[in-house]
Amino acid sequence: KNEVEQSPQNLTAQEGEFITINCSYSVGISALHWLQQHPGGGIVSLFMLSSGKKKHGRLIATINIQEKHSSLHITASHPRDSAVYICAVRIHNTGRRALTFGSGTRLQVQP
Amino acid sequence: NAGVTQTPKFRVLKTGQSMTLLCAQDMNHEYMYWYRQDPGMGLRLIHYSVGEGTTAKGEVPDGYNVSRLKKQNFLLGLESAAPSQTSVYFCATLRGKGTDTQYFGPGTRLTVL
Repeated sequence: KNEVEQSPQNLTAQEGEFITINCSYSVGISALHWLQQHPGGGIVSLFMLSSGKKKHGRLIATINIQEKHSSLHITASHPRDSAVYICAVRIHNTGRRALTFGSGTRLQVQP
Repeated sequence: NAGVTQTPKFRVLKTGQSMTLLCAQDMNHEYMYWYRQDPGMGLRLIHYSVGEGTTAKGEVPDGYNVSRLKKQNFLLGLESAAPSQTSVYFCATLRGKGTDTQYFGPGTRLTVL
């Protein structure tokens, strides 16, 4: 079983819809990251969370440490939100500080 | 300020050939990482470095070697390429103090025939 699981794997939405992507993990973590990968490959960091909730524009990320679960929400989705969204965690007490990644959620927002 | 750059962007090799991928950063970050991304799988750590002159193995190091002779550069070498090494390779950096945000290069798409 992967240490980081995302759902759904693929998601198609209509423009304007509210979108939720889920991430569950099975290890102790220091932080959880949400990343975005556009067609063409570049990966950018959206959020880093260790507790609670963060908001940036139309994006909201939440984490429940006790339940080992995080969600990424997109409000009023737009075709430019089409991308792969990746959940990644930094496992607690690893000196290398590398990330362990989920397999990603491919989102397509149709006009 | 270019951030993290990778050279080359694309490469096609024949089985048994060798090559070196270069990752360069101008942010003075201590930590550098090489990941590979394969369809249906999350990025996986190949090798990493916590500072100039240091390297260590990640989860999938077999068939790869690395060097970090200068702080700004992290090289990934394939001595004898195999079709199983067909992948997209990403370099990432981390400042190393008080932050977890990793900065990714644009990726190198490698095909081994």
